[in-house]
Amino acid sequence: AQTVTQSQPEMSVQEAETVTLSCTYDTSESDYYLFWYKQPPSRQMILVIRQEAYKQQNATENRFSVNFQKAAKSFSLKISDSQLGDAAMYFCAYRISTSGTYKYIFGTGTRLKVLA
Amino acid sequence: NAGVTQTPKFRVLKTGQSMTLLCAQDMNHEYMYWYRQDPGMGLRLIHYSVGEGTTAKGEVPDGYNVSRLKKQNFLLGLESAAPSQTSVYFCASSFHLSTDTQYFGPGTRLTVL
Repeated sequence: AQTVTQSQPEMSVQEAETVTLSCTYDTSESDYYLFWYKQPPSRQMILVIRQEAYKQQNATENRFSVNFQKAAKSFSLKISDSQLGDAAMYFCAYRISTSGTYKYIFGTGTRLKVLA
Repeated sequence: NAGVTQTPKFRVLKTGQSMTLLCAQDMNHEYMYWYRQDPGMGLRLIHYSVGEGTTAKGEVPDGYNVSRLKKQNFLLGLESAAPSQTSVYFCASSFHLSTDTQYFGPGTRLTVL
């Protein structure tokens, strides 16, 4: 089965602190892409960070970084120096290509609250 | 540069009615996608397109049709709406599948009574 599991429906973090959102996935493919998207109250989905499965080095984007453990099929997102604007739903997702078609599988999301 | 826009933002339909959602992008992207988002669930891909004149089925295509007559537009049609199609619909586009950074529209909230 191709699934993405985000086991934390909701997380809270104090402003300026660090928080880690967990994500595990299941796929038999060896080549795929992983993503974290942010969805603020405006509902628009915004790409936070992406990781190619063939790359061992963890992706980073400013205050956002991932811990990619391919063997464990784990892809957690770390947000450093949390800001009030980071409050949103965060979705983990991956994309695979199978027999010429593409599949995007999203998790159910983690709601992040940032406390002032 | 408006990015990805969706029309309309909200819509209420009665069961059996039809409608078309419009997605437009001004970034010259080849790839476009339609997703639905239901409470407590992640996005699910309905249909996608890898270029003008092409469409392909995603994870949940039943009850929907799409067309990509122009590169910048991707239409999602519901021929006979059902309450199970009540959802928030997101359109997205990307320049290249291999780079795969998707840009999302603001969403359309559809309610089917």
